[in-house]
Amino acid sequence: QSVLTQPPSVSGAPGQRVTISCTGTTSNIGATYDVHWYQHLPGTAPKLLIYSNTKRPSGVPDRFSASKSGTSASLAITGLQAGDEADYYCQSYDNRISGWVFGGGTKLTVL
Amino acid sequence: QVQLQGSGPGLVKPSETLSLTCAVSGASISSSNWWNWVRQTPGKGLEWLGEIYHGGSTNYNPSLNGRVSLSMDRSKNQFSLRLTSVTAADTAVYFCARRPVAHGFDVWGRGTKVTVSS
Repeated sequence: QSVLTQPPSVSGAPGQRVTISCTGTTSNIGATYDVHWYQHLPGTAPKLLIYSNTKRPSGVPDRFSASKSGTSASLAITGLQAGDEADYYCQSYDNRISGWVFGGGTKLTVL
Repeated sequence: QVQLQGSGPGLVKPSETLSLTCAVSGASISSSNWWNWVRQTPGKGLEWLGEIYHGGSTNYNPSLNGRVSLSMDRSKNQFSLRLTSVTAADTAVYFCARRPVAHGFDVWGRGTKVTVSS
């Protein structure tokens, strides 16, 4: 059971918008630690999608955005494309373990 | 372009020690970054194992109960993971990754699959 809670799956049609939630506690997201998001295609290296809650690394399209509030964070993907099908993970620091924790991952299916 | 390449045995026997190395190219491991290991067990999500800084400071996931240790070899520009007393539960794909200070894990290796079996 992951420290950060994500829905196991989300889906949407091409062109639509989907959101993926990430719920933590007062020892991680709620303690004002940054949230980072990753995209992971099986068999490949995870890719940093969003860092420090809302920032996109260069090369990541602005179709990807994120927000954070209280003990939760959210990733939004607009203009869904077939190539967006992947697993998405949130990550934050947790002061109970003095280390990094991940969400359980959300599988995005583009219908 | 920074690249990380993990390597090590793909098969380890139960109770033995798993040792993996991550070779870094395009950047110095003596730069201001934390160097991490993360694993993904079959059918499950990502689990952070530990990280090491160029000065030698380390942080480990306490869930591993002291079985994990990280080290770095500056002469070879690589860092390593050592996981002792492995069981089948340690079967996973192991990733190495770079984390700049106050940042997410921005560069990842492709992953090394390790199976624990006799």
